[in-house]
Amino acid sequence: DTGVSQDPRHKITKRGQNVTFRCDPISEHNRLYWYRQTLGQGPEFLTYFQNEAQLEKSRLLSDRFSAERPKGSFSTLEIQRTEQGDSAMYLCASSFDSPPQPQHFGDGTRLSIL
Amino acid sequence: AQSVAQPEDQVNVAEGNPLTVKCTYSVSGNPYLFWYVQYPNRGLQFLLKYITGDNLVKGSYGFEAEFNKSQTSFHLKKPSALVSDSALYFCAVRDIGGSYIPTFGRGTSLIVHP
Repeated sequence: DTGVSQDPRHKITKRGQNVTFRCDPISEHNRLYWYRQTLGQGPEFLTYFQNEAQLEKSRLLSDRFSAERPKGSFSTLEIQRTEQGDSAMYLCASSFDSPPQPQHFGDGTRLSIL
Repeated sequence: AQSVAQPEDQVNVAEGNPLTVKCTYSVSGNPYLFWYVQYPNRGLQFLLKYITGDNLVKGSYGFEAEFNKSQTSFHLKKPSALVSDSALYFCAVRDIGGSYIPTFGRGTSLIVHP
């Protein structure tokens, strides 16, 4: 079990630029989740995949956000035309879900918008 | 709908004393409940879960939690706090008959004083 890996750990970019984050889940997990966390808050759900299918998206996920999980392995989260309000920690988690299992989180990508 | 409340932003306790971090939840049906811990600049780490069975659940690092259905609570406890327990603690709930996505509380900062 090598754990959930996220890359990069930190990203600093100018407002209006596009950014892409990568998540490598625990290999045998079929579910993959993306969350956003801001200071003083718990993780807020963005989207999740079961294998390669994106099954649910939060209303928080505007049209500028897109996520993919080709072949049901790693996942990418892209933010287009970044805004100041996008500054946050983006967390990825993976799990089995049958029977209900806890999520395993990566250490996140911290995004700072200048 | 599902929700979780952590009524205390911060809990202070002296090393060696017992600690309690409070969590209450609301679900339409029956809950799955989880506790996670987060250290600075890290992802969330799973501590323990309640799915069914005994109301007292034991987890990692000497933590335990008691499920109380009548009070809709799932408080986290430890008999003797360590300075290294100082961290952010998150409670999460999932409705058994609902979404696969857990809802997280805002978190409680635990500070253990030497």
